[in-house]
Amino acid sequence: EVQLVESGGDLIQPGGSLRLSCAVSGLTATTNYMSWVRQAPGKGLEWVSVRYNGGKTYYADSVKGRFTISTDSSTNTLLLQMSSLRVEDTAVYYCVRGGGNYYAGYFDYWGQGILVTVSS
Amino acid sequence: IVLTQSPGTLSLSPGERATLSCRASQSVSSSYLAWYQKKPGQAPRLLIYGASNRATGIPDRFSGGGSGTDFTLTISRLEPEDSAVYYCHQYGSSAPWTFGQGTKVEI
Repeated sequence: EVQLVESGGDLIQPGGSLRLSCAVSGLTATTNYMSWVRQAPGKGLEWVSVRYNGGKTYYADSVKGRFTISTDSSTNTLLLQMSSLRVEDTAVYYCVRGGGNYYAGYFDYWGQGILVTVSS
Repeated sequence: IVLTQSPGTLSLSPGERATLSCRASQSVSSSYLAWYQKKPGQAPRLLIYGASNRATGIPDRFSGGGSGTDFTLTISRLEPEDSAVYYCHQYGSSAPWTFGQGTKVEI
């Protein structure tokens, strides 16, 4: 059974940094396409970032240069390092299997989500 | 690619049919279009991928169709538990991959 469990969400001041973790079980994070998707309060879904199984990464324009996606193969964990956080980064962040523009680029496994609140 | 979903809200009764629309600003390559169901406090659930393929465990009441720029999600016999927001998502272009703004189905 595939399970994705996010952690690391917090209340953080604008300009601060935060690292989200996603503990992956039932599949290997480094050999899958893994993404982060977020949903701001009262808003729709927004794709944030993807890491391909070969290590290539892509980011939404709204987070490019501020967020970094990576994996830790020793713990089978997906990570999202967020810096220079803005109020508009406030959202529930989902760890997701999938992403990419190919036949299996849809998001089939989702974590339960973790809340990040950016506020002074 | 911008995805526009309509209607914004759909209010129907149990047993009725719901038809949700997703229109893309340009053609979605290879019909790489998915649909998700999102309920409050829950993670989104994949319903349809490749425009018309049901995901594992999804009842056959849910069906997807379309190609190019126009796609639909049909729920043939609505049940109370189908109340949710439904999102389309295209993955046929280069990044960024986009979602529609959602259609709320009220039963």
